[in-house]
Amino acid sequence: AQSVTQLGSHVSVSEGALVLLRCNYSSSVPPYLFWYVQYPNQGLQLLLKYTSAATLVKGINGFEAEFKKSETSFHLTKPSAHMSDAAEYFCAVSRPSGTYKYIFGTGTRLKVLA
Amino acid sequence: ETGVTQSPTHLIKTRGQQVTLRCSSQSGHNTVSWYQQALGQGPQFIFQYYREEENGRGNFPPRFSGLQFPNYSSELNVNALELDDSALYLCASSLYAGDNEQFFGPGTRLTVL
Repeated sequence: AQSVTQLGSHVSVSEGALVLLRCNYSSSVPPYLFWYVQYPNQGLQLLLKYTSAATLVKGINGFEAEFKKSETSFHLTKPSAHMSDAAEYFCAVSRPSGTYKYIFGTGTRLKVLA
Repeated sequence: ETGVTQSPTHLIKTRGQQVTLRCSSQSGHNTVSWYQQALGQGPQFIFQYYREEENGRGNFPPRFSGLQFPNYSSELNVNALELDDSALYLCASSLYAGDNEQFFGPGTRLTVL
């Protein structure tokens, strides 16, 4: 069975500071991993995805994530936070066979302080 | 290119009623997945439809059912509504069933009183 754990339901950073959102996964097969962002009253927007190619994945809006198999982690980072980054972030895992359903974490709400 | 659209945006029902939510997939996509996102939680997979057939189901009771039409649009039907069914219902489409990337619509907010 697959699962995702996001450490920290709320994270606050100052504008211009490093953003680090943590995601650990459990999967019996090599996983596909995703980060999505959700703004209030909106659907999910894909930030980036890992599908067994390069372990360092660059996404939109300056975000990137590194797949670390030994740590079963896929943490999301951004060097410098912007006020517009304030949103809910979800990590998700799926497996590269069968039904491509996503298993989501419980989310991390990012607050950016001026 | 038109993205995934969902209707209605908001809906209020009372316990025991039935509801139908609708989703139009992104142009060229033949696979639709539905997710339930309760307040403060991550989305949970309900089921997926591929070429009008159910192609996988999550841990939801049979009163959650769906349809996919020849134009690949989809409906989610929920019978005998319960208070815990209050949630944001998200539809996602993908190019084909084996495609790992899903594109999400804005969701339908269902409130059950």
